[in-house]
Amino acid sequence: DAGITQSPRHKVTETGTPVTLRCHQTENHRYMYWYRQDPGHGLRLIHYSYGVKDTDKGEVSDGYSVSRSKTEDFLLTLESATSSQTSVYFCAISESIHLAVSYNEQFFGPGTRLTVL
Amino acid sequence: SQKIEQNSEALNIQEGKTATLTCNYTNYSPAYLQWYRQDPGRGPVFLLLIRENEKEKRKERLKVTFDTTLKQSLFHITASQPADSATYLCALPPEGGGNKLTFGTGTQLKVEL
Repeated sequence: DAGITQSPRHKVTETGTPVTLRCHQTENHRYMYWYRQDPGHGLRLIHYSYGVKDTDKGEVSDGYSVSRSKTEDFLLTLESATSSQTSVYFCAISESIHLAVSYNEQFFGPGTRLTVL
Repeated sequence: SQKIEQNSEALNIQEGKTATLTCNYTNYSPAYLQWYRQDPGRGPVFLLLIRENEKEKRKERLKVTFDTTLKQSLFHITASQPADSATYLCALPPEGGGNKLTFGTGTQLKVEL
């Protein structure tokens, strides 16, 4: 998985509780992304980061926040989890800073399965 | 915003045949298009990228075509094997460039003996 780990891999939580998912990379890639994947919707971008402390919203950002204090770590927080946030969450990275040209091939982590009861 | 369509029905083919998957898009002209493979319980894996000025790209048994007039990409797997069974996703960059990709919902391929 291209040096990308996600933790936890599985989590069950209750509605209203805060949840933080962590993505860690060892590839020194500039961009990091959080997606959710649901049947019938495919992969949808939640938030992404283009550098330390630089983040932007994706297609489905409501109810989620992110932080990136180090190149290698990108955190996704659900401030107050809802049942609609039950999903599989994938982290991805792209664009090594060592490449002169990149067409944004993305490398994905193994995913986190989150269930909100 | 761009819309991507992939056949949601699973494609079942016999081993040794060529599998052809379709990705249609609307509303703009992307600079490139990517294809990914996803196995159950795992994250997508990048396979191929084709640029707007390329008609065809090959990698081993894989071939991708890109018809910017039809706004369509075809993904072919020749001499298919049961190990090729997976879901295949196409992805497009945003209009005007940038690093955010929009993914199709994917087509599940099953290669039978």
